[in-house]
Formats: sequence, C-alpha cells, structure tokens
Amino acid sequence: ETGVTQTPRHLVMGMTNKKSLKCEQHLGHNAMYWYKQSAKKPLELMFVYSLEERVENNSVPSRFSPECPNSSHLFLHLHTLQPEDSALYLCASSQDYGDFYNEQFFGPGTRLTVL
Amino acid sequence: GQNIDQPTEMTATEGAIVQINCTYQTSGFNGLFWYQQHAGEAPTFLSYNVLDGLEEKGRFSSFLSRSKGYSYLLLKELQMKDSASYLCAVRDDNNNDMRFGAGTRLTVKP
Repeated sequence: ETGVTQTPRHLVMGMTNKKSLKCEQHLGHNAMYWYKQSAKKPLELMFVYSLEERVENNSVPSRFSPECPNSSHLFLHLHTLQPEDSALYLCASSQDYGDFYNEQFFGPGTRLTVL
Repeated sequence: GQNIDQPTEMTATEGAIVQINCTYQTSGFNGLFWYQQHAGEAPTFLSYNVLDGLEEKGRFSSFLSRSKGYSYLLLKELQMKDSASYLCAVRDDNNNDMRFGAGTRLTVKP
C-alpha cells in the first residue's frame, strides 16, 4: 500500500449507531488531518494531529471523536450523528505541521450517509 | 472575515485553454495551493505559489498576485481527463492552516 488509505469507502448509518472511520498513511509523515467535504462547500478542517498529539480542534461537535494511536493511523469515531453530518470525510497527512510549504496528501475519503 | 472565492462551474473544449480564478481575503498569507479532485477520488496536489508570478508545470501553470489577493490556474491543451474539480487553498497565519475554496468543477467537452 502506498500513500494515504481510508476505510470504509462508503458508510451508511442510523443516528443511533456508533461507527469509526480509519485512515492510514504509508508516507512516514508526522502530521495527520481530518476534513469534512460537503457538496458545494469548502473543505472544512476538523482535527489536526502532530506527532500523535492533537493540535487543533476546530469547534467540531463532540459526536465526532478523533484518535491517533501512532503517527501512521488516525481514526474518527462517530456517535449519535445527524443527517446534516452526511458528507465526504477526507484524511490527509503532511511531513510536518506548521511549515509554510507543507503539501498535504489526501486519502480517497469515506462517503458517509446518516439516515 | 476570511473568504476564498472561485467560480462554481466552468466548461471548455478539448484542446483549448482555460483559466480558473481564485480570489482570497485571509488573515495573513503563507502560500497558495491548487489541488485537482476527480469525482470520488482524493484531491491531488498541482501547484504551490508563495511569491508573485507564474509557476509553470507542463500543461498547468499557476499565477499569484499577493497585492491583489488573486491567483489563477491555467490549463493548456485541455484533455477529457482534465474534467475534475479544482480547489484553491490559502495557508493563513492561524497555525499555517489551509483554507479551501469551494472548488471549481471543470467539464471538458469534445
């Protein structure tokens, strides 16, 4: 495997379910990110981890809970979601966090539908 | 406030040239990125500008004017596979976060 992978690619869940999204990067990067991409809206940065420490939480509801057990893996735990949370959830990684030129490499995303 | 604006949709003909504009108002500026995103796929990096001027990479070029808060992505010799969304993103002063525009969906027609 190369680059950034995400599983599952598609997820349908009810509002009372608990599910987790998984991201894995094979690039040896130190920073990982979760973004939300809704139709016709800009990508929204949700969480940032640098060296497994959370460095940003951009006013995201507590029904989204991130976890970064090591620098290669990032999870997004989902609980009691709302229909408006339906979106494409993208994971990204970069060599380091906070540098000017810090290209981010994106995974293919998980298409989440909340019924 | 912080805004990054780009047209929602554009259409162009195979073999032609298209210019996708991006204007931005952000708290500070530490560089501008362009990404390409095909439907259902990951965004992929195209270019990075931090100084004024034109950066050329094969069929794709990106221009930046910091004083005008303006950038464009120029695609030459369009191919059908260039049909995708093009995302403009600015790195601001807030922890050097990337702020994205909503993307421009380009359709290339024969």
